[in-house]
Amino acid sequence: AQSVAQPEDQVNVAEGNPLTVKCTYSVSGNPYLFWYVQYPNRGLQFLLKYITGDNLVKGSYGFEAEFNKSQTSFHLKKPSALVSDSALYFCAVRDMRNTGKLIFGQGTTLQVKP
Amino acid sequence: DAGITQSPRYKITETGRQVTLMCHQTWSHSYMFWYRQDLGHGLRLIYYSAAADITDKGEVPDGYVVSRSKTENFPLTLESATRSQTSVYFCATSETGGSRLKETQYFGPGTRLLVL
Repeated sequence: AQSVAQPEDQVNVAEGNPLTVKCTYSVSGNPYLFWYVQYPNRGLQFLLKYITGDNLVKGSYGFEAEFNKSQTSFHLKKPSALVSDSALYFCAVRDMRNTGKLIFGQGTTLQVKP
Repeated sequence: DAGITQSPRYKITETGRQVTLMCHQTWSHSYMFWYRQDLGHGLRLIYYSAAADITDKGEVPDGYVVSRSKTENFPLTLESATRSQTSVYFCATSETGGSRLKETQYFGPGTRLLVL
């Protein structure tokens, strides 16, 4: 079965420290992977995606993600966290059986403390 | 460029009433989606549409009806609202097909629905 797992409900990090939000996936074939961010009372905003090519993908707001095929992971990273990065983050994978559909993880709340 | 708009942004209704949530896009994206977001459940797909007049069920379609007579509009109707349908509803679009680079979904601002 196709699935996405975000093993941490919440990640806490101090401002200025590096952050990692974890995501693992299970799909057959080559995955299309996405990260979205949701600020309070807002819709989801696209951050970055991996379709093919370089395993390190750079996205908006200084975020990047590393695709690791052997570990079936797509962790979101940022070298130096900001308080304004505090939000809910979703990892998603394209549903390989249904073009256009995405399968979302449960979300990880990131808290960056000053 | 308005992108995706949803209306109303907030709605309070009573059990048994019919409610329609509107979604409008200005991009002419082929795919449109309706999700609901609830604490503890993340995002769940209700219905989606690959093009005008083509719709299909998602993960939680019961109690909902959709239509898509025009590419730009994708209304979601709760035929007889129940308290369990209290949620935040998001519409999304994507320009899928023809290129692997097109797969990203773009989300509207959401509609908060309270069913009393």
